[in-house]
Amino acid sequence: GQQVMQIPQYQHVQEGEDFTTYCNSSTTLSNIQWYKQRPGGHPVFLIQLVKSGEVKKQKRLTFQFGEAKKNSSLHITATQTTDVGTYFCAGKNTGGFKTIFGAGTRLFVKA
Amino acid sequence: DGGITQSPKYLFRKEGQNVTLSCEQNLNHDAMYWYRQDPGQGLRLIYYSQIVNDFQKGDIAEGYSVSREKKESFPLTVTSAQKNPTAFYLCASSNSPGQGVGLPQHFGDGTRLSIL
Repeated sequence: GQQVMQIPQYQHVQEGEDFTTYCNSSTTLSNIQWYKQRPGGHPVFLIQLVKSGEVKKQKRLTFQFGEAKKNSSLHITATQTTDVGTYFCAGKNTGGFKTIFGAGTRLFVKA
Repeated sequence: DGGITQSPKYLFRKEGQNVTLSCEQNLNHDAMYWYRQDPGQGLRLIYYSQIVNDFQKGDIAEGYSVSREKKESFPLTVTSAQKNPTAFYLCASSNSPGQGVGLPQHFGDGTRLSIL
């Protein structure tokens, strides 16, 4: 079945350093979504990418969808303590109904 | 305000007991979902429903049951057959994804279930 792998599982950074999490699917995706879950909270939708090679930016966050629509990345420039949390990617198969979540990358930021 | 309401926030289950987690949404979404999250882990799909009176098993449906009698409501019952129910349960909803591009899911605040 479809699998969505996400790495790394954890990342510790010093405030001001950059951070990247990667997402890889075993099958071609129709779209990729990114969510952020603060400690003790629920996942909150950040963005959705649909087109091959698409790049979107939200302030210090840059999201990328691979040309083959099988991988994606989230890059945070100059991390802040407010970036702490777990970042999940979630992908949907072309022609399928279910969205499959990756295991998430937990970001720790030291001030 | 539109949103998803899950209750209770905390729930304790005794051995051999069935418990029901409530999920209500006023976003007029067709699709609703139940996920289980274990500490430090990702989201695993328990059940999902694309439309009223219809639902499908997710990846870990054993020991759980659902109903979808109303568009706004998608309650989850954790049965005594679920031997390890301690987890954080999240309900979500979205417009119907159909077979095209998936649509963003909106999550409730979750229910933390523990065994007494």
